[in-house]
Amino acid sequence: EVQLVESGGGLVQPGGSLRLSCEASGFNFRNYDMHWVRQIARGGLEWVSGITFAGDTYYPGPVKGRFTISREDAKNSLYLQMNNLRVGDTAVYYCVRGDGYGVDYWGPGTLVTVSS
Amino acid sequence: DVVMTQSPLSLPVTLGQPASISCNSSQSLAYSDGNTYLNWFQQRPGQSPRRLIYKVSTRDSGVPDRFSGSGSGTAFSLKISRVEAEDVGVYYCMQGTHWPWTFGQGTKVEIK
Repeated sequence: EVQLVESGGGLVQPGGSLRLSCEASGFNFRNYDMHWVRQIARGGLEWVSGITFAGDTYYPGPVKGRFTISREDAKNSLYLQMNNLRVGDTAVYYCVRGDGYGVDYWGPGTLVTVSS
Repeated sequence: DVVMTQSPLSLPVTLGQPASISCNSSQSLAYSDGNTYLNWFQQRPGQSPRRLIYKVSTRDSGVPDRFSGSGSGTAFSLKISRVEAEDVGVYYCMQGTHWPWTFGQGTKVEIK
């Protein structure tokens, strides 16, 4: 059974940093692209970053230069380093598996709150 | 960025009746490899999203056949042939053809 479990969320002040982690199990992690997707309070979904199985990374404009996605295949783990956080980054962050057609499995999510 | 526009945003339905959600993209989602990377997700209350359909019309494993997807180019739809109580939730379309990937605003399906 595919399982994705995020951790590392919490309350941080504007301008601060946070590192999210995702532990994967139930599939051959090194063979899959992985992504982070966030959901704001009113429900909207936004793709935040992606990393291919080969290590190529992709970011949308709002987070480029502030967020860094990485992976450690030996630990079946995905990470998201978030710097210079803004109030608008407040959301539930999901670790999501890519399957070549989009994204299939989602974790339960971890809440990030950026507030002073 | 490709803008994904869903309608309606709220859809009250009667149990056993059909329901349909529309999703339009600001650019064609046809990719050079011949595929169209349009996904549909269901998010039940208190749960993470779950993918129902990929490549416009292919159902994921375990998805009931009352769910169907169709469309091409810039116009797509998700149909539920007979709505059941467990179908309550928010439905999102997502395009995976152009970077960055983008989602529709979501359509809330509720029982009348």
